[in-house]
Amino acid sequence: QKEVEQNSGPLSVPEGAIASLNCTYSDRVSQSFFWYRQYSGKSPELIMSIYSNGDKEDGRFTAQLNKASQYVSLLIRDSQPSDSATYLCAVSGSARQLTFGSGTQLTVLP
Amino acid sequence: EADIYQTPRYLVIGTGKKITLECSQTMGHDKMYWYQQDPGMELHLIHYSYGVNSTEKGDLSSESTVSRIRTEHFPLTLESARPSHTSQYLCASSESGDRGFEFGSGTRLTVV
Repeated sequence: QKEVEQNSGPLSVPEGAIASLNCTYSDRVSQSFFWYRQYSGKSPELIMSIYSNGDKEDGRFTAQLNKASQYVSLLIRDSQPSDSATYLCAVSGSARQLTFGSGTQLTVLP
Repeated sequence: EADIYQTPRYLVIGTGKKITLECSQTMGHDKMYWYQQDPGMELHLIHYSYGVNSTEKGDLSSESTVSRIRTEHFPLTLESARPSHTSQYLCASSESGDRGFEFGSGTRLTVV
């Protein structure tokens, strides 16, 4: 079992819809959770961090964390074609290292 | 504006050549990392450092070596480049393991 798992996609949503990206992790003592956006050929860019259970909102982005279920998600409201990218989930576990998922490719259709 | 810099951005080099990929950050971060990523594939940690004179190998076996003589500088060296080394190399730094990484713009290496 991978330490951080994401659906590889591709995930396609129409413009204006809500895109939902999911991530599960195996290390129960993980404390910090991050979402990165990576455009093709570019380096990852940190877009959200979350450290406690519940929701955290930043503009059109909402991160949701459920430590009991070992689950973290990212919601993108009013999706735009410019949101088309690969989204990487990253988890800081017991070794204080960031472990990345393999990423979910999102396409927002105009 | 980026506070972590990688050079060169692109490099095409012949087999057997020695190369050094540069990475510098101006944020005073103690922790620095090198990742390797093939197109459309996941990130693989190849080296990391938690401070000056401290370097460790990551999850992915790599023939490269690194050094950390100054806090701000974390170069990666390939003594003899091979076509199998063709990939994108990403440098990152962080203030602590519980804060997100900031990535440099990457070096896309092609060995012919």
